[in-house]
Amino acid sequence: EVQLVESGGGLVQPGGSLRLSCAASGFTFSSYWMTWVRQAPGKGLEWVANIKQDGSEKYYVDSVKGRFTISRDNAKNSLYLQMDSLRAEDTAVYYCARDIFRDILWGTFNYWGQGTLVTVSS
Amino acid sequence: DIQMTQSPSSLSASVGDRVTITCQASQDISNYLNWYQQKPGKAPKLLIYDASNLETGVPSRFSGSGSGTDFTFTISSLQPEDIAVYYCQQYDNLPYTFGQGTKLEIK
Repeated sequence: EVQLVESGGGLVQPGGSLRLSCAASGFTFSSYWMTWVRQAPGKGLEWVANIKQDGSEKYYVDSVKGRFTISRDNAKNSLYLQMDSLRAEDTAVYYCARDIFRDILWGTFNYWGQGTLVTVSS
Repeated sequence: DIQMTQSPSSLSASVGDRVTITCQASQDISNYLNWYQQKPGKAPKLLIYDASNLETGVPSRFSGSGSGTDFTFTISSLQPEDIAVYYCQQYDNLPYTFGQGTKLEIK
């Protein structure tokens, strides 16, 4: 059974940092593109970043470029999101998600974690 | 960035009704369009990918159609468990973008 379990969320002050983790199991993690999607309270979904199987390609939404860094450790079956210079508008539930097909980028997410809440507030 | 516009923003229908949601892209995205269902407090669930392909395990009352800029999502016979917010998402270009969502309620 495919499982994605996020952790690392919490309350942080504006300008602070937080590192989210996503532990994957039940599939060959190293064969899939992985993604972070966020959802501000009461709002819609926003794609944040994705990373290729070997970490050689990474893409970000403009609003987080230069502040967030996506990474992965295939030996630990884990995905990460390092979030620096956090702003109030980064407050959201952050989901990790797996692409639907192995080996290729398809931009379609058929497995999601339960999400972890990040609150940026003083 | 490609803008995705869903209509309506909210919808009230009766059990057994046929329900239709539309999604319009700001530019041609071929058939690179997904539909997700999100229930309160839960992660989104993929229902339809490539505009019209039903994800494994999803009931056949859900369907999708369209290509280019105009897409339609249909529930052929609304069930009580279909109460949720539905999102379209394009994956033709990065950044991937979602519609604003359609909140579906039971009348």
